Amino acid sequence: EDKVVQSPLSLVVHEGDTVTLNCSYEVTNFRSLLWYKQEKKAPTFLFMLTSSGIEKKSGRLSSILDKKELFSILNITATQTGDSAVYLCAVHNTNAGKSTFGDGTTLTVKP
Amino acid sequence: GAGVSQSPSNKVTEKGKDVELRCDPISGHTALYWYRQRLGQGLEFLIYFQGNSAPDKSGLPSDRFSAERTGESVSTLTIQRTQQEDSAVYLCASSFLGANTEAFFGQGTRLTVV
Repeated sequence: EDKVVQSPLSLVVHEGDTVTLNCSYEVTNFRSLLWYKQEKKAPTFLFMLTSSGIEKKSGRLSSILDKKELFSILNITATQTGDSAVYLCAVHNTNAGKSTFGDGTTLTVKP
Repeated sequence: GAGVSQSPSNKVTEKGKDVELRCDPISGHTALYWYRQRLGQGLEFLIYFQGNSAPDKSGLPSDRFSAERTGESVSTLTIQRTQQEDSAVYLCASSFLGANTEAFFGQGTRLTVV
């Protein structure tokens, strides 16, 4: 059975801190790994990673995938209160529709 | 439409009643997904549509759950004889092709079974 484990489950930091969120996975026939940010109900897409070692970057957020060790990290630098959210990691396998989500990391950024 | 639209946004129903949840995907998106999210948990995959067919129904938790999609657009998720454990947020997402592309999520339907 496919499995995605995120850590930590929750994290409280102060504005300006840098955080690293972890996602490890076990999935048959890996195809891609996606990161989403969920503030209220609808998750919004952050990154999709398919190849090892290639960093994806968007502003203060960046992410990288290690397909050998089966994990990904999401980094957020110079955190702001608006970064407070649940960050979800999802892994797709080559069975086109099947995706497995982790339970998320709840990030709280205090002013 | 501009985004994925789900209705109703909230639904309270009595145990044993049937409910129908609706999802309008982004126009032109061929792939449509349903997920369930219980409080404090991640998303649980329910079903995936490619066009009008559902190649993967493996996530449907029981035979009380069914879904259909017509005209490669609107999808409905039906839960029969609702139970309290069905209480959750039901999220719909759509994407252009399938699993290797970004999915866009609706705001979800919060279902409460009392």
